[in-house]
Amino acid sequence: QVQLQESGPGLVKPSGTLSLTCAVSGGSITSSDWWIWVRQPPGKGLEWIGEIYHSGSTKYNPSLRSRVTISIDKSKNQFSLNLSSVTAADTAIYYCASTMNHFDYWGQGTLVTVSS
Amino acid sequence: QAVVTQEPSLTVSPGGTVTLTCGSSTGAVTSGHYPYWFQQKPGQAPRALIYDTSNKHSWTPARFSGSLLGGKAALTLSSAQPEDEAEYYCLLSYSGARVFGGGTKLTVL
Repeated sequence: QVQLQESGPGLVKPSGTLSLTCAVSGGSITSSDWWIWVRQPPGKGLEWIGEIYHSGSTKYNPSLRSRVTISIDKSKNQFSLNLSSVTAADTAIYYCASTMNHFDYWGQGTLVTVSS
Repeated sequence: QAVVTQEPSLTVSPGGTVTLTCGSSTGAVTSGHYPYWFQQKPGQAPRALIYDTSNKHSWTPARFSGSLLGGKAALTLSSAQPEDEAEYYCLLSYSGARVFGGGTKLTVL
């Protein structure tokens, strides 16, 4: 059974960089799937942030592209999200997910708060 | 960037039928947008119900069905149950990006 687990700081200062990692277990990150980041501000809807393929190919939300980097570490079977120049508007639950088995697998989500 | 629109809220009676829709600012939604439907309950991660317009996961109750209807993707719930009360999101794929709809809060009452 594939499992995804997000990790990273729960509090980031304004203008800083939000960094999260998603560890993949029970499956290979080199499978023919895309590895995805989604976020959800408190009480609001889902927003696709971007995704990466094991080849390193990436796709980003145009509204975040200038601030987002998604990378993959095949040796650790994990992928990561960096979001720079954060503001309070970036406060959200951040989920990692995969297109494996048609979006069958999601992390539990991690709340990141942007505050000084 | 495309905008994906959903009804903000809908109410259905227990045992009743309701259709949620998902439209695109770029024009008609087609199978080429690979429409997904997700169900999200409070405090939980989203869970995919429907993929590629009308395909169901093994856990998707038979009362849920997906289709294309009038230029939109549609999720129809027949014989609604109290446990179907949740937020429902559609997801469309465009070249180079995916976009979620704003979500529909479904009340079973």
